[in-house]
Amino acid sequence: AQSVTQLDSQVPVFEEAPVELRCNYSSSVSVYLFWYVQYPNQGLQLLLKYLSGSTLVKGINGFEAEFNKSQTSFHLRKPSVHISDTAEYFCAVSKSTGAYKYIFGTGTRLKVLA
Amino acid sequence: GAVVSQHPSWVICKSGTSVKIECRSLDFQATTMFWYRQFPKQSLMLMATSNEGSKATYEQGVEKDKFLINHASLTLSTLTVTSAHPEDSSFYICSARPSVAGDRTGELFFGEGSRLTVL
Repeated sequence: AQSVTQLDSQVPVFEEAPVELRCNYSSSVSVYLFWYVQYPNQGLQLLLKYLSGSTLVKGINGFEAEFNKSQTSFHLRKPSVHISDTAEYFCAVSKSTGAYKYIFGTGTRLKVLA
Repeated sequence: GAVVSQHPSWVICKSGTSVKIECRSLDFQATTMFWYRQFPKQSLMLMATSNEGSKATYEQGVEKDKFLINHASLTLSTLTVTSAHPEDSSFYICSARPSVAGDRTGELFFGEGSRLTVL
């Protein structure tokens, strides 16, 4: 079975500072990895995904993530955050074959301070 | 892009009544849809996998008689919370997998969520 760990429940950061949100996963099979953002009372919006190929994945809104197989990590980064990036961020994993069942991490609340 | 719509966005009901939430894929067909439940400040927990034309597959610990799922067409899945109680109050989110032959994108598309409050 797959599992996802997001170690940081909350990350406060000042506006225009860089940020890294950590995600580690566990799986005995090949996986797909995703980062989603959720604004209050809304559904999930895909930021980026890793399926295969280049380990550095660029997404929307200036976010990027790097897949590190040896460390089983998929950390999300942004070089300069904005107030509007304040939201909940979820890392998710699914098997690369099969029914697309996602396993979500517990989420990291990013709070950007003025 | 692919759009998934949920209705209603908000619903308040009395204890003991049943509530139906719809999940529609607006511009694509979805053989498979998923239903999740999210408690405040917590992650999404998969409740069940909804397959068009067949019975839903429920995750361990989810009462299938309590949460009825129907996937009658390739663009619509419904979740009915039967005899709702205050502890059923939650944010319910659906997602859909496009029914594209050989699809290897791995991506699901999520609805906006439906907040249920049971009084």
